[in-house]
Amino acid sequence: KQEVTQIPAALSVPEGENLVLNCSFTDSAIYNLQWFRQDPGKGLTSLLLIQSSQREQTSGRLNASLDKSSGRSTLYIAASQPGDSATYLCAVSAQGGSEKLVFGKGMKLTVNP
Amino acid sequence: EPEVTQTPSHQVTQMGQEVILRCVPISNHLYFYWYRQILGQKVEFLVSFYNNEISEKSEIFDDQFSVERPDGSNFTLKIRSTKLEDSAMYFCASSVEIVPNNEQFFGPGTRLTVL
Repeated sequence: KQEVTQIPAALSVPEGENLVLNCSFTDSAIYNLQWFRQDPGKGLTSLLLIQSSQREQTSGRLNASLDKSSGRSTLYIAASQPGDSATYLCAVSAQGGSEKLVFGKGMKLTVNP
Repeated sequence: EPEVTQTPSHQVTQMGQEVILRCVPISNHLYFYWYRQILGQKVEFLVSFYNNEISEKSEIFDDQFSVERPDGSNFTLKIRSTKLEDSAMYFCASSVEIVPNNEQFFGPGTRLTVL
């Protein structure tokens, strides 16, 4: 059974820092991995999707990498801003004909001005 | 920018009552999903739907749950007889493609409170 883990559960940093958010998954047989942002009491906003054949994806100040063989993904946030404060979730889409996403519990990021 | 919408944003109901949660997926999307998030826990998959039928469902999605696409735009989740443990945030999602490029776009959620 696929398990997704995000450590640490929370991170508080000063504005301007470059950040690394980690995600690990137990079964490397995935189709893709998706990073989301969730603001308190709100829905999930898709940030990036990396297909299993890709190594990384970039969108603005965000860069996500995928090492499928080791079961890890990393989300880099450059020059963090207070507006980046949110919970970041990663989710994997497992192989075997399933379209469902299996989520980690998320990492709550606070960027202090 | 197209987005998934959900109504109502908050639903309060008595245990044993039926509720219908509504979603309007992004218009050119073909694959639809329901997930839920119990407070403080992970987002969990409930069901996926394609071509007017369920393509996959989780253990959570028992006989008390059903989904329907009653017309060309709406996608609904019905809980027949709500339980206290059904209290959660329910998210609808949609994608235009299937794996491996099934980027899923989520709605803002419906917070269901069962009393």
